[in-house]
Amino acid sequence: SQQGEEDPQALSIQEGENATMNCSYKTSINNLQWYRQNSGRGLVHLILIRSNEREKHSGRLRVTLDTSKKSSSLLITASRAADTASYFCATDMGGSEKLVFGKGTKLTVNP
Amino acid sequence: GAGVSQSPRYKVAKRGQDVALRCDPISGHVSLFWYQQALGQGPEFLTYFQNEAQLDKSGLPSDRFFAERPEGSVSTLKIQRTQQEDSAVYLCASSPNRDAGGYTFGSGTRLTVV
Repeated sequence: SQQGEEDPQALSIQEGENATMNCSYKTSINNLQWYRQNSGRGLVHLILIRSNEREKHSGRLRVTLDTSKKSSSLLITASRAADTASYFCATDMGGSEKLVFGKGTKLTVNP
Repeated sequence: GAGVSQSPRYKVAKRGQDVALRCDPISGHVSLFWYQQALGQGPEFLTYFQNEAQLDKSGLPSDRFFAERPEGSVSTLKIQRTQQEDSAVYLCASSPNRDAGGYTFGSGTRLTVV
């Protein structure tokens, strides 16, 4: 079973545009993480936001967390073709070290 | 090594065959995780180790799946009597400790059962 659900399932944009992906989860968490996966490769950790944080930035990435709505968003600004990948949110289900992943958003950035 | 290394990269097994998948985590990483990823899906948790102790194996789909990490470093995921539904990418990840935040994943082993 999967805890998180990303939305949309697929997103296609032009280079230079911003991309926003959303994630909803079901149970209380200690932290929420976002990962990127290029086709046929392993996942790469992008950013972690703790349950007592509301917003976090890393380069062109901005993550928000709303624990009252059990949701998070990932914003990629000024997208590049190299950002084309699948993006997954993952939660720790409060207290457990294991992460539970959603089904992902497939982002395509057209040059 | 610099990253998490998994071998083999690809494995084709005949139905009923046993397979063993290897994971070399980053040196010194305490926690090690195995995930299964079906095509077009997110990774599904299988099991996790802290050093040599298997703390959670709740995600192993059946008793045909077995994982070990005898010396707290290299781990092996074994699947006995493989079936077609076992076809997936098996991902290994490691983390320095509980509070490190973020796993480092290997590139995975793509298992195809024919």
